[in-house]
Amino acid sequence: RKEVEQDPGPFNVPEGATVAFNCTYSNSASQSFFWYRQDCRKEPKLLMSVYSSGNEDGRFTAQLNRASQYISLLIRDSKLSDSATYLCVVTSFTGNQFYFGTGTSLTVIP
Amino acid sequence: EPEVTQTPSHQVTQMGQEVILRCVPISNHLYFYWYRQILGQKVEFLVSFYNNEISEKSEIFDDQFSVERPDGSNFTLKIRSTKLEDSAMYFCASKGETVNTGELFFGEGSRLTVL
Repeated sequence: RKEVEQDPGPFNVPEGATVAFNCTYSNSASQSFFWYRQDCRKEPKLLMSVYSSGNEDGRFTAQLNRASQYISLLIRDSKLSDSATYLCVVTSFTGNQFYFGTGTSLTVIP
Repeated sequence: EPEVTQTPSHQVTQMGQEVILRCVPISNHLYFYWYRQILGQKVEFLVSFYNNEISEKSEIFDDQFSVERPDGSNFTLKIRSTKLEDSAMYFCASKGETVNTGELFFGEGSRLTVL
């Protein structure tokens, strides 16, 4: 079983749309959770950490449901610059090993 | 802002040759990692390094691979005898000063092309 599974995508949405990505993880003892963004042929960059209480950063909202082992990312009012691959990342119990999902590709269309 | 730096940005080599990829992690970080990403595929874990030794490695990290932190700043990945399937982007990453928390910071990657 994969450590982290994500929606396969791709998602093609018009500017201004709201889009949601989902992710599930297999290890109930995982300590930390993140969404990373990866532009084509670039390194992954942290978008936001994900906390049990849910957290918001501008147009981005992340949610964690530990009981269901489920993580989500909501992007409101999509911009062209949001086009990228979004990676769900979950750590081990120790927090020192990071497991990546396959990524979900988003293209925002004018 | 502190960053992870990697060299070279792109290396082309012949099959069977040795390659060394270099990384300078963020200076006060404790954990260091190598990941690879074959074009169009997912980010794959290779190895993690803590306290001057390998803490975990994946199935990919076989005897052809080795890592070293020779001088307290550089963190290198060596591939002894490259194969065609080693062609990929190799990312170095480091994790913050607190041992059991924090996010990964990635370098810009070294693209390896094996001919």
